[in-house]
Amino acid sequence: AQRVTQPEKLLSVFKGAPVELKCNYSYSGSPELFWYVQYSRQRLQLLLRHISRESIKGFTADLNKGETSFHLKKPFAQEEDSAMYYCALSETGGYNKLIFGAGTRLAVHP
Amino acid sequence: GAVVSQHPSWVICKSGTSVKIECRSLDFQATTMFWYRQFPKQSLMLMATSNEGSKATYEQGVEKDKFLINHASLTLSTLTVTSAHPEDSSFYICSARVRGRGTEAFFGQGTRLTVV
Repeated sequence: AQRVTQPEKLLSVFKGAPVELKCNYSYSGSPELFWYVQYSRQRLQLLLRHISRESIKGFTADLNKGETSFHLKKPFAQEEDSAMYYCALSETGGYNKLIFGAGTRLAVHP
Repeated sequence: GAVVSQHPSWVICKSGTSVKIECRSLDFQATTMFWYRQFPKQSLMLMATSNEGSKATYEQGVEKDKFLINHASLTLSTLTVTSAHPEDSSFYICSARVRGRGTEAFFGQGTRLTVV
């Protein structure tokens, strides 16, 4: 069965520190992986997707099929990065489900 | 573009009544719509997936007769919580994929349902 695991509920760092939010997945096929972000009092929005291979707001994520991971990284955290981050997996066939990990709250302190 | 509007934002209803939540894609056609349930401080739990031209596919453990999903058109999906009970109180979120824009999903603002 498909599963997305985010082991950390909370990640607390100081401004300027590096950040890595972990995400591991299990899926028998070739999934598409995403990171969604939810800022306070706002709706979920896409941060980045693995097929784009782009950096958004300084964040990057590389799909490692060998380790079935899709960790989100940023070299220097900013206070405005404080939010809830969800790793998500989309099936590439069948019903094209989109399932989410439990989420990690990132708190960046001044 | 790609705005998903969910209505109402919050609703309070009495036990035993039914509540309908609407999800509209305002400026695009939605090929797939998802309905999620989110408990406080927890993740989004997928309830059902509704693909264009097909009936909703429910996740295991989600009662079809309890949570009626109607994908009336490519721009409207509704979730009706029938015979609501206090344990149905939760945050419900819809999401839609855009025709021609691959697998990115756009989210509604959510509906807070409180059953008293």
